[in-house]
Amino acid sequence: QSALTQPASVSGSPGQSVTISCTWTSSDVVPYKSVSWYRQYPGKAPQMMIFDVSNRPSGISDRFSGSRSGNTAYLTISGLQAEDEADYYCSSFTSTSMIFGGGTKLTVL
Amino acid sequence: EVQMVESGGGLVQPGRSLRLSCVDSGFIFADYAMHWVRQAPGKGLEWVSGISWNSGSTGYADSVKGRFTIYRDNAKKSLYLQMNSLRAEDTALYYCAKGAGSFWNEYYIASWGQGILVTVSP
Repeated sequence: QSALTQPASVSGSPGQSVTISCTWTSSDVVPYKSVSWYRQYPGKAPQMMIFDVSNRPSGISDRFSGSRSGNTAYLTISGLQAEDEADYYCSSFTSTSMIFGGGTKLTVL
Repeated sequence: EVQMVESGGGLVQPGRSLRLSCVDSGFIFADYAMHWVRQAPGKGLEWVSGISWNSGSTGYADSVKGRFTIYRDNAKKSLYLQMNSLRAEDTALYYCAKGAGSFWNEYYIASWGQGILVTVSP
């Protein structure tokens, strides 16, 4: 099935901003349907952070924002905090399935 | 408060079958699509299967197509995954997940259960 490509890891210092990219490598991906982002702490279930490219559910800090340019979606975390250290996954759809990116490990230095 | 609780996991031999269940105790189950997503040890998330609100549409990952069957019972607020011909590579933590809308291929996943471990080994 089609792939969503994310960097394996990113890092930043407290207070800085980091951006995680999610690039679809096939024309079969239909990102207009929904690009979403999930955060996962070790040993915990994922949590939805951004839906429909740039929307935040209630309760999610406005330090998290989403955007899209061409065939790449972005998750930006501003004012980095120690608690942001986690794995982040993007997700979208193809014509026949839901797909996830490979995940990005965010390290707060 | 969304509360989905998975059950039915465990250790199973290759080639055998297992059925996972997920019971919702916190929301209007019948209106929403549901999914199974798995995560092999130390690996990323892999979507397994989705089902629309009225069971009218289902989808499967290529890796499980023909072996796994998703179904639901809205009266019991329950989701199921029948897994046949299990393989070692099916070993993973399986999450029950709720879609944000009625159709599995239209809406993102809004919430997740805590997961249930399936281990396929001789």
